[in-house]
Amino acid sequence: QVQLVESGGGVVQPERSLRLSCAASGFTFSNYGMHWVRQAPGKGLEWVAVIWHDGGRKHYADSVEGRFTISRDNSENTVYLQMNSLRAEDTAEYYCVREVGTGTTGGHFDYWGQGTLVTVSS
Amino acid sequence: QSVLTQPPSASGTPGQKVTISCSGSSSNIGINTVNWYQHLPGTAPKLLIYSDNQRPSGVPDRFSGSKSGTSASLAISGLQSDDEADYYCAAWDGSLIAWLFGGGTKVTVL
Repeated sequence: QVQLVESGGGVVQPERSLRLSCAASGFTFSNYGMHWVRQAPGKGLEWVAVIWHDGGRKHYADSVEGRFTISRDNSENTVYLQMNSLRAEDTAEYYCVREVGTGTTGGHFDYWGQGTLVTVSS
Repeated sequence: QSVLTQPPSASGTPGQKVTISCSGSSSNIGINTVNWYQHLPGTAPKLLIYSDNQRPSGVPDRFSGSKSGTSASLAISGLQSDDEADYYCAAWDGSLIAWLFGGGTKVTVL
């Protein structure tokens, strides 16, 4: 069965860095676009970034552009989110998400991980 | 960046029908399909409706989606206590080059 397991969350000071990982299993990882979506405490879902199945294209939300970098290792079935210059407003649960149909008008997120919590605080 | 508008709350008694709206624009809902997610606190969000009106296997047919122009709707018929959750619409925006989520609608079963 499809499994997405995030790790790497924790408490970090403002302006520091953190790298999240998401280990995928149960499907052919290199066939799917992967995303990170977050939810700040008491807030709604916010899309963060996407990486195409082959790593050839990446897109970011304006709120993280220039600070966060999404990458993947298809040989290790893992997607990463490198987060630099962290701010208090980056505090959130971060979910790793698989997309069916990346780049098409009918794309949708069919599997979500359980999330990893990132807290940015001094 | 969220430009999909949902009502913050909706409610109904058991057995009733609840409808949640999602309003967008010509660069997102107007040209791309809409997906709906159900999110219970402490759990992973779950895909409820994709491609405007398609249900993944395992989702009861009490849940249905529709779209017209730049707006979409999620209907929950035969409301049950288990349906208490937050519901989000989502669509790709071709102008912003970004996925957008609505602000979420909290459904309460009275």
